[in-house]
Amino acid sequence: QVHLVQSGAAVRRPGASLRISCKASGYTFTTYPIHWVRQAPGQRLEWMGWIIAASGKTQYSQRFRGSVTFSRDTSAGTAYMDLSSLTSEDTAVYYCARETLRGGGEFDLWGQGTLVTVSS
Amino acid sequence: QSALTQPASVSGSPGQSITISCTGTSSDIGAFDYVSWYQQHPGKAPELMIYGVSNRPSGVSFRFSGSKSANTASLTISGLQAEDEADYYCISYTTSFTYIFGTGTKVTVL
Repeated sequence: QVHLVQSGAAVRRPGASLRISCKASGYTFTTYPIHWVRQAPGQRLEWMGWIIAASGKTQYSQRFRGSVTFSRDTSAGTAYMDLSSLTSEDTAVYYCARETLRGGGEFDLWGQGTLVTVSS
Repeated sequence: QSALTQPASVSGSPGQSITISCTGTSSDIGAFDYVSWYQQHPGKAPELMIYGVSNRPSGVSFRFSGSKSANTASLTISGLQAEDEADYYCISYTTSFTYIFGTGTKVTVL
């Protein structure tokens, strides 16, 4: 079976950094792009950006450019998102999602989500 | 533009049909046939319901259908069932090579 398994919930102080991982299993990791999506408590989904797993090329939403960095380790079949200079507004569930080869926002596989809480 | 515009809530009785609109601009919905729809139940990850404006993934009920006219996409749920009660989001590709989600719609089955 195919899965995306994300790292567990995390609590950080304001100003801290955090890395979230998204491990793929059951398929060839480098075949599909990985997207990242944020959902603040009670709020809508927000597209953060994507990474092409094969090449490592990235694209960021203007809203998140400069505060997040995507990377991947092809040997580990894992994508990463680094969040820096966290504030309380970064408290949210973060999802990774696989996009099909058709593209166009067709995310057919999602991670379970990682809850990040930023609090002093 | 920060988000595509959806109605905050839509409701219907079991068996009825409802339609959720998703309004964008000529730089997103109007520019491509790249609109997808997601269903999200509380505490769960989103699930793909429609891709490419009107295509249903394998396993998704035929009761879900999608369409598009100019800058507005629509999701129709026919034969509404209790299990359809959830939040629904549209997403579109944009001319800036990015994606944008809608504001989300809460569907209530009366």
